[in-house]
Formats: sequence, C-alpha cells, structure tokens
Amino acid sequence: SQQGEEDPQALSIQEGENATMNCSYKTSINNLQWYRQNSGRGLVHLILIRSNEREKHSGRLRVTLDTSKKSSSLLITASRAADTASYFCATVHNSGYSTLTFGKGTMLLVSP
Amino acid sequence: DAGVIQSPRHEVTEMGQEVTLRCKPISGHDYLFWYRQTMMRGLELLIYFNNNVPIDDSGMPEDRFSAKMPNASFSTLKIQPSEPRDSAVYFCASSPPRSSYEQYFGPGTRLTVT
Repeated sequence: SQQGEEDPQALSIQEGENATMNCSYKTSINNLQWYRQNSGRGLVHLILIRSNEREKHSGRLRVTLDTSKKSSSLLITASRAADTASYFCATVHNSGYSTLTFGKGTMLLVSP
Repeated sequence: DAGVIQSPRHEVTEMGQEVTLRCKPISGHDYLFWYRQTMMRGLELLIYFNNNVPIDDSGMPEDRFSAKMPNASFSTLKIQPSEPRDSAVYFCASSPPRSSYEQYFGPGTRLTVT
C-alpha cells in the first residue's frame, strides 16, 4: 500500500520562485527519500534524510522531517524551468525490509 | 557507469501474447526491484531480489506475472498471457549493498497491450 502521500498533487509557479512540496506517512521510518521523475524517464534519487535528522540541504534543495507529525517537506529554491518534473517521497520502514514505499507524487510546472 | 539498462523501451502487443521485459542492474548492486507505474495506482513494487534470490513477490498481481534473476547482471519480468490492463510503464531499479536503500532506476519499458 502507498504510505507516502504528497501534497499538493500539482503545483505551478514562475521561474525564480520557491516550490514547496509536502509528504505525510503513516508508520515509523528508518529514512525518507525524495525522487524526481522527468516526463518519460525513470526516477532519480535527490536526497535522503534519516529519522534522527530534522533538516538537510543539497544545493537548491532543502528537506525537513518532523517524525512527531510523520511529515516531510521538500523546498526547491530559485526554481528553474528545468525543475519541471514529478516529485515523489519514499519511505523506508523500520521493519528491516529494504523496500521503498512511494507516494503518488507532486507534479511541478515551472514556467519561464 | 551505464546505469540500469532496460529493454525494450517500448512494447506494443496484442492481448494474449507473452511479453518479456529485461533489465541489467548497475554492476555491484545486490538488490533489484521491479515496479509498475500507472496513473491510477502510481508506482507499485512488484517483486524484489537480493543476491539473485526473490525476497518478496507479494506485489505481483497474478500468476500471469513471473520474474527471474539467473545471475547478478540480468533479470526478466514475464507476462503470459498479457491483458490490456497490464498496460503501464515497468521500471527496474537496483540498489547497492550496505546502502540506505537508495535506488537507481532504469528508463522504463512502456507496455501497451491492445
């Protein structure tokens, strides 16, 4: 079953603006990951945040994790048209299995 | 590094035909995953292997689906017989050992069953 749920389902912004996407999950996790999928392509790993971390940065990406609320956010600063893609959060359970549980994604459109 | 390789990239077949999708994981990765992606159901894990051994196939929708991994560099997903509702994009992904379960995805195979 899908554990991660992204919000919003779709987001449309102008180049230069910031984009924020949220993810909620249901059970305890080992880590949470964000992936990007360009149209017609496979998913690409962006960033991973562990359950004992609260915030992580990678370039223009900032991820936060609130385990008490079972939620995460992905912030893309100074967006570019090339950031247009679908963004998925994926959780790794504490069960010991090595599988990811993906949400249905947020479609981000960045207009020039 | 070539990344995960999948073939074919597109497959169009008629209902009832056998379909075989192929995947070559990244060298050195010991986990291999097969996913199916549709608009309605999103990304679903079908089956995954560790060191060529199937670990969990609970996501395989029915007996018409089967997957094999005869060696560390090759895996197949077979659908026999295919049905229109099998139309989807099928992804293969691999993951390195002792990782935090980051996965590296192939470009996918877009399957259309008419």
